[in-house]
Parts: sequence; structure tokens; C-alpha cells
Amino acid sequence: RKEVEQDPGPFNVPEGATVAFNCTYSNSASQSFFWYRQDCRKEPKLLMSVYSSGNEDGRFTAQLNRASQYISLLIRDSKLSDSATYLCVVLDDKIIFGKGTRLHILP
Amino acid sequence: DAEITQSPRHKITETGRQVTLACHQTWNHNNMFWYRQDLGHGLRLIHYSYGVHDTNKGEVSDGYSVSRSNTEDLPLTLESAASSQTSVYFCASSENSRGSEQFFGPGTRLTVL
Repeated sequence: RKEVEQDPGPFNVPEGATVAFNCTYSNSASQSFFWYRQDCRKEPKLLMSVYSSGNEDGRFTAQLNRASQYISLLIRDSKLSDSATYLCVVLDDKIIFGKGTRLHILP
Repeated sequence: DAEITQSPRHKITETGRQVTLACHQTWNHNNMFWYRQDLGHGLRLIHYSYGVHDTNKGEVSDGYSVSRSNTEDLPLTLESAASSQTSVYFCASSENSRGSEQFFGPGTRLTVL
């Protein structure tokens, strides 16, 4: 099993829809989890940290499931500006970036 | 405003040449990182530093070196550039804690012919 796995997509979603994607990780001792966003030909930027109890930031909700070793990102009422690649990041004794999930919001 | 910059933004070089990519941050962060990003691989850690005079190898360190002589800079050197090192290189920095947010530079697109 790869250390961090994401569905590469692309996810093509109409504007206004809700979209969710998961990221699985292999090391049960992983300590911290994050979602980063990367626009085409730009640098990654932190979208949100993922807390054990789950957390929400506006239209974005992140959840952690330690038992099944995955984190999820839910985007509600999607906007055209949400089109990007979403990178899952897992921290144990090193930081590991997933390959990213591409999201296209369609008008 | 604090920032992290990289130079050059684009570089074309020839196989066998030595190349140095600059990274400069004004966040006063102790932690600095170099990644490369390639299609199908995502971001892979090359080298990292937790402070002045500290350097550590990452996942794909062969053919690369770094030095940390001050807090602000972590230059990445390709000793003898190879075509396999054609990639986009990102520098990042973060605060002391290991779980803190990483701030990325704009990237350097390197082509080795």
C-alpha cells in the first residue's frame, strides 16, 4: 500500500454541486493531516488542517477517520474558483504529499 | 509583508553543468525545504533544514546538495545536472513546530538538455 493515496480525478462537477474526495494513508502512527490547494502552474497553499474531531471552514469540511486511515474533504456549493488540484498531506516522522486530486467546476 | 522567493523562475541548462537554485524567506522560519514536482509523482522532498548549519536528506536527494549558512537562505545545488532532473522545484518554509503550515515559493522550472 502506498504511503498516501488520492484518486487523481479529474472530478468534473457542475457549479453549485457538492463534491467530496478522500485520501488514504498507510502509517497508523501518522500525527498530522492537511489539505493543500494548488492552482495550475502555481505553488501549493494550505487550505486547512484536519483535526480529529473534524473541522469546517465556510464551504469546506475536513474529516479524519483514524480507524480506516483516511481523511476527506467536502466542498459544498462549489464555485468556478474552486477548480484546482487538492493535495493531501500526512505527517509522521516525515511529511508526505499525495499526488493530488484534480477538480474542475463546470459552469 | 513576509514572503518566500525563488530565483531564477525559469532556467535551461545543459547536462553536466552545475546549477544553483536560490530560495530566500523573510518569515524568519527555522525550517526550510526543497521539493521537486513531476507529473505522476506529486511533490517529493529533496533536502530540508531545521536551522542554520543543519541539513538533512529527503526522499530524492541523490545529485543534489544544500547548505544553510543563515536563517533566510537555502540554496539548492545540482552538482552535475542530468536530464532526469528536469522538473519544477519548490522551496518552502515553516515555523518551528513540525506540524505547522508550510509556505511555498513560486517555483523554479528547470530544463536540463
